[in-house]
Amino acid sequence: AQSVTQLDSHVSVSEGTPVLLRCNYSSSYSPSLFWYVQHPNKGLQLLLKYTSAATLVKGINGFEAEFKKSETSFHLTKPSAHMSDAAEYFCVVRGRGGADGLTFGKGTHLIIQP
Amino acid sequence: DGGITQSPKYLFRKEGQNVTLSCEQNLNHDAMYWYRQDPGQGLRLIYYSQIVNDFQKGDIAEGYSVSREKKESFPLTVTSAQKNPTAFYLCASSYLSGQGTYEQYFGPGTRLTVT
Repeated sequence: AQSVTQLDSHVSVSEGTPVLLRCNYSSSYSPSLFWYVQHPNKGLQLLLKYTSAATLVKGINGFEAEFKKSETSFHLTKPSAHMSDAAEYFCVVRGRGGADGLTFGKGTHLIIQP
Repeated sequence: DGGITQSPKYLFRKEGQNVTLSCEQNLNHDAMYWYRQDPGQGLRLIYYSQIVNDFQKGDIAEGYSVSREKKESFPLTVTSAQKNPTAFYLCASSYLSGQGTYEQYFGPGTRLTVT
């Protein structure tokens, strides 16, 4: 079984400052990990994914995440926040093959202050 | 344009009525999924299908039904047995691979309100 915990339900940063969204996971298998973004009343868009290649993963819109097995973490970062980054972010883990193996975190709402 | 379409965007129904949500994809994906999203709860899997004419229950299948007669289409019916049907419904699709490293692509969602 696998699970994912997003440590903050809300994060507020000023425009131009760094963003850190925290995610911890547990999995009995070597996991695949994803970050998705959701703007209001929209579907989810994939930001990036980790699939056991490089531990530092670069995604779209300047986001990146680092897989740390010793800490069971997959935190999402961005050096400089933009107003358009305001959205809900979901950390997702897939622990094994099969269509039923996807587990979503509860989401982190990112607020960007002007 | 390749992608996933869901219709309608907003849907209103009276309690006791069944309602069907549409999901179509032209990405040639094998697998399709239905999720329900409630505020503060992330996404929960309702049903999924890996192949035509076959589907499996997810975590919260009670009160829902699906069909997969075509690879491109995976409609979801919310029946009157679903106790709390008001929610945002998201459809997704993906390729299948042995190790499950594929990502899911999501449609824009349908917001269902039942009164």
